[in-house]
Amino acid sequence: LAKTTQPISMDSYEGQEVNITCSHNNIATNDYITWYQQFPSQGPRFIIQGYKTKVTNEVASLFIPADRKSSTLSLPRVSLSGTAVYYCLVGGMAAGNKLTFGGGTRVLVKP
Amino acid sequence: DVKVTQSSRYLVKRTGEKVFLECVQDMDHENMFWYRQDPGLGLRLIYFSYDVKMKEKGDIPEGYSVSREKKERFSLILESASTNQTSMYLCASISTGTGYNEQFFGPGTRLTVL
Repeated sequence: LAKTTQPISMDSYEGQEVNITCSHNNIATNDYITWYQQFPSQGPRFIIQGYKTKVTNEVASLFIPADRKSSTLSLPRVSLSGTAVYYCLVGGMAAGNKLTFGGGTRVLVKP
Repeated sequence: DVKVTQSSRYLVKRTGEKVFLECVQDMDHENMFWYRQDPGLGLRLIYFSYDVKMKEKGDIPEGYSVSREKKERFSLILESASTNQTSMYLCASISTGTGYNEQFFGPGTRLTVL
């Protein structure tokens, strides 16, 4: 089971780009990399998912190097509402796969 | 559009009581999960299920059991609640297969054991 390591916290300013890197050295061939966002008193919410190279959607980009041992979530031009905890999750999508979250990164966006 | 619901947002129980936390999803997902979340510890997996009547232990199953009698419903049971089980409990579900998949989470149940 791939264990993930993320920074505990980071600060940013409104309008800046935020990059959060997650390490997952023992990622398996079938594992995908998924990022979630969680606001206080709410369940986590899906942001983006990828397997390799770069994935972009309307809210974020995900960069995955060729060795897949790490990944970087990029949030362009964060707003104050981007203050949240961001979780990196690595796991397979087949039935019976255990999906375990790491400790998450608390991002504080300042005005 | 409701996807994952949990029976209570807030619950207060006494030590030694049997506690049932219910989770229902309407997306016909095979996999369902129970996590607990405590300050500074992130989300920790308690149990998960990949089919009706099937269950697997997560990272912290001690003191908990689960039941999955129907595909859409996954229950977490605290046989004899203790104060160290005071926590936020989150249920999630996900479809199986390859490719793009996301876990959908319920709103959480904040359980206080006195």
